[in-house]
Amino acid sequence: EAEVAQSPRYKITEKSQAVAFWCDPISGHATLYWYRQILGQGPELLVQFQDESVVDDSQLPKDRFSAERLKGVDSTLKIQPAELGDSAMYLCASSPSSGETQYFGPGTRLLVL
Amino acid sequence: GQQLNQSPQSMFIQEGEDVSMNCTSSSIFNTWLWYKQDPGEGPVLLIALYKAGELTSNGRLTAQFGITRKDSFLNISASIPSDVGIYFCAGRLTGTASKLTFGTGTRLQVTL
Repeated sequence: EAEVAQSPRYKITEKSQAVAFWCDPISGHATLYWYRQILGQGPELLVQFQDESVVDDSQLPKDRFSAERLKGVDSTLKIQPAELGDSAMYLCASSPSSGETQYFGPGTRLLVL
Repeated sequence: GQQLNQSPQSMFIQEGEDVSMNCTSSSIFNTWLWYKQDPGEGPVLLIALYKAGELTSNGRLTAQFGITRKDSFLNISASIPSDVGIYFCAGRLTGTASKLTFGTGTRLQVTL
């Protein structure tokens, strides 16, 4: 069964360092989403891609976060510099197209010390 | 950002009992989804609802799309230990193409 892949699964870093997360969506899925999930809360959308284009990054803290999906397949989310409050689970999801069922990856759990 | 209100926040039940949880919003949604998340994993879709009043089952799970379109309910019958986890509702607002708004989650614990 096709799955969304994410790496690393866990990341510990010190504040002010740069971190990067990678996501490989289900093959053929045009829409890719990055979510942040703070402990005890539901996921919140950071950025949505349709193919290689950003369609919604209204909740992305652009002063320190960036995301790209250069070839419209896999995607990278970067944080630079990391802050203590960035500690959370970062989830990637994909769907065949916008508005269809989203399938989530296992997530990357980030701890900033 | 906006999150949907889920209740209860947590539940401790015995194996074999039925479970009910709900999700409410002040906004109208055109889609309701229910996900389950195990510790350290991503959410897995359980049930999707697309029409007001719709009642859909998936095994022991049954979910309903509220008539007002501002709420949804999930029932689990005859709970088993593997039902343990966090259940999230998610909704898609009318007029938004794909953005999902998630609930605050209901943590379910099942005792033997």
